[in-house]
Amino acid sequence: EAGVAQSPRYKIIEKRQSVAFWCNPISGHATLYWYQQILGQGPKLLIQFQNNGVVDDSQLPKDRFSAERLKGVDSTLKIQPAKLEDSAVYLCASSSPGGPALFGQGTRLTVV
Amino acid sequence: AQSVTQPDIHITVSEGASLELRCNYSYGATPYLFWYVQSPGQGLQLLLKYFSGDTLVQGIKGFEAEFKRSQSSFNLRKPSVHWSDAAEYFCAVEPRGSTLGRLYFGRGTQLTVWP
Repeated sequence: EAGVAQSPRYKIIEKRQSVAFWCNPISGHATLYWYQQILGQGPKLLIQFQNNGVVDDSQLPKDRFSAERLKGVDSTLKIQPAKLEDSAVYLCASSSPGGPALFGQGTRLTVV
Repeated sequence: AQSVTQPDIHITVSEGASLELRCNYSYGATPYLFWYVQSPGQGLQLLLKYFSGDTLVQGIKGFEAEFKRSQSSFNLRKPSVHWSDAAEYFCAVEPRGSTLGRLYFGRGTQLTVWP
């Protein structure tokens, strides 16, 4: 079974630039999550999708972050404009009903 | 307040020694409980999970965890550590009845293994 795929693995941008991350979940997993992991901390949920609908985006900074899940499969997370404090690892995960979240390798973002 | 606490930021053990990583949670009802491991530059890999039933849970790579309701704890153990176990370990909870599948993580414990 293929795992959660994320790209790119690494990204360096200047502050105020925009960036986008892509995630392809495990086939058949209806639930998709984006987590932000700042250095020295545990991951924190940004947004959760059930199929192509948003279940929870209460922790998403909506003035600069946006996310979509087209056709209930792939998802894109965008930051525009980026700030220094957005430097983090962005983790995508997916799950089936009643199953645990399974994570991708993450995208490490550095904002300079 | 609801929280997940991993009191040890960094633990160092010798290869072959036993290991115990602590995790305490504070939630109204016993949540679902998980341990994940993160190797450098990698995502999170699920080691084991507790939903209900037997309080001693076996996971992958020789790890086990014991749920203790009276102590609100879910400590991770391994009888003999290998150098490849060096990584960061995260305890996570999913509150029962919450938004489906959302996890709350502790801050992690970094494990160093001496040869």
